[in-house]
Amino acid sequence: EPEVTQTPSHQVTQMGQEVILRCVPISNHLYFYWYRQILGQKVEFLVSFYNNEISEKSEIFDDQFSVERPDGSNFTLKIRSTKLEDSAMYFCASSEAGRFPGKLFFGSGTQLSVL
Amino acid sequence: AQSVTQLGSHVSVSEGALVLLRCNYSSSVPPYLFWYVQYPNQGLQLLLKYTTGATLVKGINGFEAEFKKSETSFHLTKPSAHMSDAAEYFCAVSVDNTDKLIFGTGTRLQVFP
Repeated sequence: EPEVTQTPSHQVTQMGQEVILRCVPISNHLYFYWYRQILGQKVEFLVSFYNNEISEKSEIFDDQFSVERPDGSNFTLKIRSTKLEDSAMYFCASSEAGRFPGKLFFGSGTQLSVL
Repeated sequence: AQSVTQLGSHVSVSEGALVLLRCNYSSSVPPYLFWYVQYPNQGLQLLLKYTTGATLVKGINGFEAEFKKSETSFHLTKPSAHMSDAAEYFCAVSVDNTDKLIFGTGTRLQVFP
């Protein structure tokens, strides 16, 4: 079965540093997402992306966050100046259909630790 | 606003025993509901989903879930647990029937021999 690939699996950074989390969605998918899960809490929606622009974002996704599809295959999440509370597991997901839900494919996540 | 609540962060069963993972939802519109599973070091994988129609939904690996509107529940069951079922299970509801999902906090299932 096709997979969503995320790199790195673990990222450790110092507070205030920029991080870029990388994802390779499934090749024929058109909708891309980032979710995150802080330890012990719910998996939370961050942002959805379609047709090279953000289609929806949550209140968590403030000016410190940005997403980009720099080429035809990668989808990245950038955190400009990390805070301690950004420590979480970040999941990338993709799907063929954004509405009348089809099947969301998730990557295995990047564990971000901000020290 | 939609939400889901998973009762029990940890569930332990013996191999061969019934698995019951609980999920209750809140939604002002007819919900689309999902169960995802996460095996160690892997991504979230869709087990099953309810959109419309038959309220008993069958998924992969022998799991099924029943949508009960009167109880606002969507509990996940499997008649006989297998060691390979040990994983984290997430219930989710779709916001406005899109791929934007609201997840529960997850239930870790342990299966003992």
